[in-house]
Amino acid sequence: QQQVKQSPQSLIVQKGGISIINCAYENTAFDYFPWYQQFPGKGPALLIAIRPDVSEKKEGRFTISFNKSAKQFSLHIMDSQPGDSATYFCAASRTKTSYDKVIFGPGTSLSVIP
Amino acid sequence: DTGVSQNPRHKITKRGQNVTFRCDPISEHNRLYWYRQTLGQGPEFLTYFQNEAQLEKSRLLSDRFSAERPKGSFSTLEIQRTEQGDSAMYLCASSQADRANEQFFGPGTRLTVL
Repeated sequence: QQQVKQSPQSLIVQKGGISIINCAYENTAFDYFPWYQQFPGKGPALLIAIRPDVSEKKEGRFTISFNKSAKQFSLHIMDSQPGDSATYFCAASRTKTSYDKVIFGPGTSLSVIP
Repeated sequence: DTGVSQNPRHKITKRGQNVTFRCDPISEHNRLYWYRQTLGQGPEFLTYFQNEAQLEKSRLLSDRFSAERPKGSFSTLEIQRTEQGDSAMYLCASSQADRANEQFFGPGTRLTVL
């Protein structure tokens, strides 16, 4: 019930295209869903996050879509660029407790080709 | 650089040796977390501190692992009698207590146990 599933495992997108990464969770107590971006040799960096009271959040070229009833959320990268090539992790956690650990998905390796 | 720093960046050791890693969090952050990341997986929570108090430990943290944050600033993670299965990237993150889910990661220490 603590697991976060993520797909696809890897993704190749042409420059200018849309990259879509999907995640699903089981624990309905999760109420915070961040996405992290990780470049080789670096730690993950918080990219964008959403709470279940909204269905979509957009920041620049990055959009999270959230479907509470299906317990699914996705990251869309519009106008994908070679510099977006990285590994992306979705995650989930609870914020109503003093602290509950962040559960990460297994990651999606994105390659944007020119 | 005011981000999270970790030292060393790489450590190669022989099975059975002890190793110690250091993490320096963002200065105003009172929470500090340790994660382990293996190839092709997302970070897995190990333990976290609020100030100098260690508040939670994962079952992944066997008795060979110990973490300290003696003055509520930097933290150390020690692994005793290393095993080949300990080979992984060890990530440190920090956050403010009231924004615990917005965690900022360091670059990690890559441990290789021969």
